[in-house]
Amino acid sequence: EAGVTQSPTHLIKTRGQQVTLRCSPISGHTSVYWYQQALGLGLQFLLWYDEGEERNRGNFPPRFSGRQFPNYSSELNVNALELEDSALYLCASSSDGRQETQYFGPGTRLLVL
Amino acid sequence: KNEVEQSPQNLTAQEGEFITINCSYSVGISALHWLQQHPGGGIVSLFMLSSGKKKHGRLIATINIQEKHSSLHITASHPRDSAVYICAVQGSNYQLIWGAGTKLIIKP
Repeated sequence: EAGVTQSPTHLIKTRGQQVTLRCSPISGHTSVYWYQQALGLGLQFLLWYDEGEERNRGNFPPRFSGRQFPNYSSELNVNALELEDSALYLCASSSDGRQETQYFGPGTRLLVL
Repeated sequence: KNEVEQSPQNLTAQEGEFITINCSYSVGISALHWLQQHPGGGIVSLFMLSSGKKKHGRLIATINIQEKHSSLHITASHPRDSAVYICAVQGSNYQLIWGAGTKLIIKP
């Protein structure tokens, strides 16, 4: 069974640009979570999607947004990139949003210059 | 005070030693996760606990709901166990609250 996949693996952007990160959950999983891990910091919760709807979001500005498609894959969009957005962005999926283990993808490393 | 506290922050041990990493939390939870993060960012979910104890190979995780405390133990540690171990609690809104992680280095 394929795990959570993310694309791209690495990305370099400049300040002010926009970026879209993609995540495909494990087959059968309906919940997708996005996390940001900046250098030296723990994982920060960004967004949670379940059954196509945003269920919860973390303490991030509105330029961080996303969506979940009918096939449960998800996109994370970041507009007006800032230097401090440089981080590892991790996607996780679970079979529902309640007490199921979250399975993590390999992450996308974003560098903003 | 952070809602999830891990100790120690850093741990270096010799191969074969018994390892214990602790996690204390101050919020009500529905579950607690232990995760392993390898260099480069790959994260593996090790355990999800809501009570008692779980064992998988050389890894053992315990949780005491009344004391709001969990421990992750590694028996017969090996250099390949070197990683960051993260405790995360899942609240009633299903959001995970992460600890800062414990960096473990096992020397051969």
